[in-house]
Amino acid sequence: NAGVTQTPKFQVLKTGQSMTLQCAQDMNHEYMSWYRQDPGMGLRLIHYSVGAGITDQGEVPNGYNVSRSTTEDFPLRLLSAAPSQTSVYFCASSPRTANYGYTFGSGTRLTVV
Amino acid sequence: AQTVTQSQPEMSVQEAETVTLSCTYDTSESDYYLFWYKQPPSRQMILVIRQEAYKQQNATENRFSVNFQKAAKSFSLKISDSQLGDAAMYFCAYRPIYTGTASKLTFGTGTRLQVTL
Repeated sequence: NAGVTQTPKFQVLKTGQSMTLQCAQDMNHEYMSWYRQDPGMGLRLIHYSVGAGITDQGEVPNGYNVSRSTTEDFPLRLLSAAPSQTSVYFCASSPRTANYGYTFGSGTRLTVV
Repeated sequence: AQTVTQSQPEMSVQEAETVTLSCTYDTSESDYYLFWYKQPPSRQMILVIRQEAYKQQNATENRFSVNFQKAAKSFSLKISDSQLGDAAMYFCAYRPIYTGTASKLTFGTGTRLQVTL
């Protein structure tokens, strides 16, 4: 099993550009989430999904969109990149059973200039 | 809303010694799960250990163990016989147990552990 696959691993954007961070999991997990990691702030939840067709906002959703058309895929869209969105982004998935932690992808380091 | 606090931004331990990382959390729930994740320089998030709140027995995984104090809402991680490979950022995390909120994992701000010779 590949687990959680994130692409790309690194990306540089210009302010105002849009892009999509891809996330796919092959474990048939119901739950998927996107986090951003900034120094001194831990991981903060951007958006999450409890199943195909169901998404909701997390702690820091502004400037990001998500959709979940299949169980496997959960892309994160940056609509108009801003320097404040420079961060490391993690996608993660989990089965519905809460005693599992989440399985994380390897992260995307995004720089907005 | 649940919060997780890690009050030690950085810790240092000598190889072969024992170190304890602190974590406190705030919740009104009675049942939940707590986790410690390790993030080495590779950036990968690795689950180290988990604790069910309804279990009084502290979880142990090889050299890693926790001290779970439910009434005090404290969840510390003890690393015994520290090794150079233990150097990493460590995150404490909280997860509710019930459907709906169980999808959310809340993290502390992390503790960077250095291991010296």
